[in-house]
Amino acid sequence: KAGVTQTPRYLIKTRGQQVTLSCSPISGHRSVSWYQQTPGQGLQFLFEYFSETQRNKGNFPGRFSGRQFSNSRSEMNVSTLELGDSALYLCASSFVSGIAYEQYFGPGTRLTVT
Amino acid sequence: AQTVTQSQPEMSVQEAETVTLSCTYDTSESDYYLFWYKQPPSRQMILVIRQEAYKQQNATENRFSVNFQKAAKSFSLKISDSQLGDAAMYFCAYRSYGSGNTGKLIFGQGTTLQVKP
Repeated sequence: KAGVTQTPRYLIKTRGQQVTLSCSPISGHRSVSWYQQTPGQGLQFLFEYFSETQRNKGNFPGRFSGRQFSNSRSEMNVSTLELGDSALYLCASSFVSGIAYEQYFGPGTRLTVT
Repeated sequence: AQTVTQSQPEMSVQEAETVTLSCTYDTSESDYYLFWYKQPPSRQMILVIRQEAYKQQNATENRFSVNFQKAAKSFSLKISDSQLGDAAMYFCAYRSYGSGNTGKLIFGQGTTLQVKP
């Protein structure tokens, strides 16, 4: 079974621009979660989608948004990029949401904002 | 709010020896899951081991085992017979049980493990 894939793997953007990151979960997985990893703040939860609905949201400004499609693929969007948005963005997929399950992580997208 | 603390930023171990990574957490919930994840230099996060809070028995996965002390809110990871491939950053993570919080993992700050040949 193919693992979680994230595209692009690396991205360089300029302050003020917007960016869209994509995550394709493992086949059959319906839950996708997004995390931001920075040296200063560590790993922080952004949001979770299950069956095209946002189930949970972390403490991030409204510039961070996401969505999930009917095939469970998910995108996250960051508008009006700031230097502090430079981070590794990880997505994780899981088979079922609501009961015991394990999350499988993708390789991440490294975003650099200049 | 739940918090996870890893007090050891860096640890080192000799190959074939045993090392224990510490993790404490704070929660008012009685049901939850605890995890240890490994993140090698490739940055791919890999699940090492999982513990359900309602289970008294400590989880074990091959060379990896945990010491789960629910009353003390402690969840340490023991790696036996350390191998060079174990070198990575290790994260302790917490997840609430039940719907509504199921996808949200709360991570500790991480412990970088160095394995010396």
